[in-house]
Amino acid sequence: EVQLLDSGGGLVQPGGSLRLSCAASGFTFSSSAMSWVRQAPGKGLEWVSSITGSGGSTYYADSVKGRFTISRDNSKNTVYLQMNSLRGDDTALYYCARGGLLVDITYWGQGTLVTVSS
Amino acid sequence: QSALTQPASVSGSPGQSITISCTGTSSDVGGYNYVSWYQQHPGKAPKLMIYNVSNRPSGVSNRFSGSKSGNTASLTISGLQAEDDGDYYCCSYTSSSTRVFGTGTKVTVL
Repeated sequence: EVQLLDSGGGLVQPGGSLRLSCAASGFTFSSSAMSWVRQAPGKGLEWVSSITGSGGSTYYADSVKGRFTISRDNSKNTVYLQMNSLRGDDTALYYCARGGLLVDITYWGQGTLVTVSS
Repeated sequence: QSALTQPASVSGSPGQSITISCTGTSSDVGGYNYVSWYQQHPGKAPKLMIYNVSNRPSGVSNRFSGSKSGNTASLTISGLQAEDDGDYYCCSYTSSSTRVFGTGTKVTVL
């Protein structure tokens, strides 16, 4: 059974940093592209970032480029999202997901809430 | 990258069929077959319903079907049931090497 356990969310001040983690199980992690998708309160889904199975290629939405960094540790079956220079409009539920650019997203984590506020 | 355009709401009576459209451009929906559809119930994570335009994952009811014509993809739900109530989002790969979601459609079963 595929499982994605998101964690690391919380309350952070504007300009601050946070690192999200997603522990995966139930599939061959190193062969799977992974993504982060967010959903602001009461709003729709927004793709944030994707990374290939090897970690060799990463992709970002314009809204987070230069501030967020996606990475993975295949020895730990974990994908990360380092978020810097956080702003109020980054407030959202962040979902880890299996899938990437050329592979449709198939499974989703339960989400971890990030709130950016002073 | 602008969000793909979906109708804000679609409704139907039990047993009826409804279709949700997802309109993009030749740089996303029209240019690739990497279009997927997701169902989301309140407080829950999205669930994949259709991938690669028209493929249904195992476990998803055959009442759900997908198609594409030009720059518009469509999700059809036939034999509408109360459990189909929820929000639906399309998603496409783009020529900018990104992914883009649709604006979302609230489906109401009357």
